Amino acid sequence: GENVEQHPSTLSVQEGDSAVIKCTYSDSASNYFPWYKQELGKRPQLIIDIRSNVGEKKDQRIAVTLNKTAKHFSLHITETQPEDSAVYFCAAPLDRGSTLGRLYFGRGTQLTVWP
Amino acid sequence: AAGVIQSPRHLIKEKRETATLKCYPIPRHDTVYWYQQGPGQDPQFLISFYEKMQSDKGSIPDRFSAQQFSDYHSELNMSSLELGDSALYFCASSYGTSGRNEQFFGPGTRLTVL
Repeated sequence: GENVEQHPSTLSVQEGDSAVIKCTYSDSASNYFPWYKQELGKRPQLIIDIRSNVGEKKDQRIAVTLNKTAKHFSLHITETQPEDSAVYFCAAPLDRGSTLGRLYFGRGTQLTVWP
Repeated sequence: AAGVIQSPRHLIKEKRETATLKCYPIPRHDTVYWYQQGPGQDPQFLISFYEKMQSDKGSIPDRFSAQQFSDYHSELNMSSLELGDSALYFCASSYGTSGRNEQFFGPGTRLTVL
């Protein structure tokens, strides 16, 4: 199956600074990489995703980059705000044969933005 | 827009009891996934259904079973509950079976086993 590794496990930044979270994956056939934000006790919410035919995608203060050769992808948050504080998960699906769409998650990064 | 609905939102059970969790996917979504998330952990895939048939099975204990009904809602049945089953259980739905389709998560059911 897919193996997704995520770093760092915790990240503290000052409001206004940038935050970067990195993930690596093992299955070279993976071609879709979502990022989820999860606040305490709430559901994971998709914040951005990228498909393998592009190397970068941006949505306002959030961007994701993908390096298929190195099998890693990163989440970049600029101009961080206290409300960005949450756990962020990267994920990759396994989409082969009968294993349709299950998501493998990284271990998560607890991001804390200090005002 | 309609979202994924899960019920109940909270459930407290004793060891060895049974529990049934329900999930109502977004209208027209034909695929349902179940995930279990322990405290401080990432969500772990349990099982999925496409068009009312089981499509994939992950680390789901034999004590658990699930099905998807004709109206596409799904139920996760858990028997002989153990303390370690205490977790957040999320249902997610998508349209189509590809892993490249966005999965929308429900609010979750918090199960506490005493």
